[in-house]
Amino acid sequence: GDSVTQMEGPVTLSEEAFLTINCTYTATGYPSLFWYVQYPGEGLQLLLKATKADDKGSNKGFEATYRKETTSFHLEKGSVQVSDSAVYFCALSMRFGAGTRLTVKP
Amino acid sequence: EAGVAQSPRYKIIEKRQSVAFWCNPISGHATLYWYQQILGQGPKLLIQFQNNGVVDDSQLPKDRFSAERLKGVDSTLKIQPAKLEDSAVYLCASSLVQGRTEAFFGQGTRLTVV
Repeated sequence: GDSVTQMEGPVTLSEEAFLTINCTYTATGYPSLFWYVQYPGEGLQLLLKATKADDKGSNKGFEATYRKETTSFHLEKGSVQVSDSAVYFCALSMRFGAGTRLTVKP
Repeated sequence: EAGVAQSPRYKIIEKRQSVAFWCNPISGHATLYWYQQILGQGPKLLIQFQNNGVVDDSQLPKDRFSAERLKGVDSTLKIQPAKLEDSAVYLCASSLVQGRTEAFFGQGTRLTVV
């Protein structure tokens, strides 16, 4: 069935470093892809989404491109901040990956 | 607009007891999801409703878990009898269109089975 495989981490970066969190998927048809984020002590919230191949989702400096040829939806940010410390989840339609914990140190 | 409401926020029960969780989705959202999130893992989809019909319950342990969505609005998730491994956060989410639009999550119910 449809599923996502996500780089599990944890990931620790220094402030202003470049971030990539890998996500690959297996799917029939053309599902939507999402990145959700869970900040400490808060609920899950949508970070960005893409609904078809070659779409690029972006929000708060984060980007991810829906790549059908590589079945991937990797999350990237050029310069992370301490406030980006959270757990990030890749999701295909509404099925979630295992999550990647990101810690950004000043 | 009001968000997804869940209750209770916390629940502690003994194994073999029963427990129920309640969810009120965002008004107008036809799709409702229940998830189980065990500490350190991603949310696992238990059941998905479209209005008051079940779309996907393939990962629901039907021997002990049940869920219903009355009149296509509120929903309850029940566990009977509970096991130690059911300790987790139970999340409810709703969306306008299944699988395509943003899902909004409630704060969850943290269940501890002792």
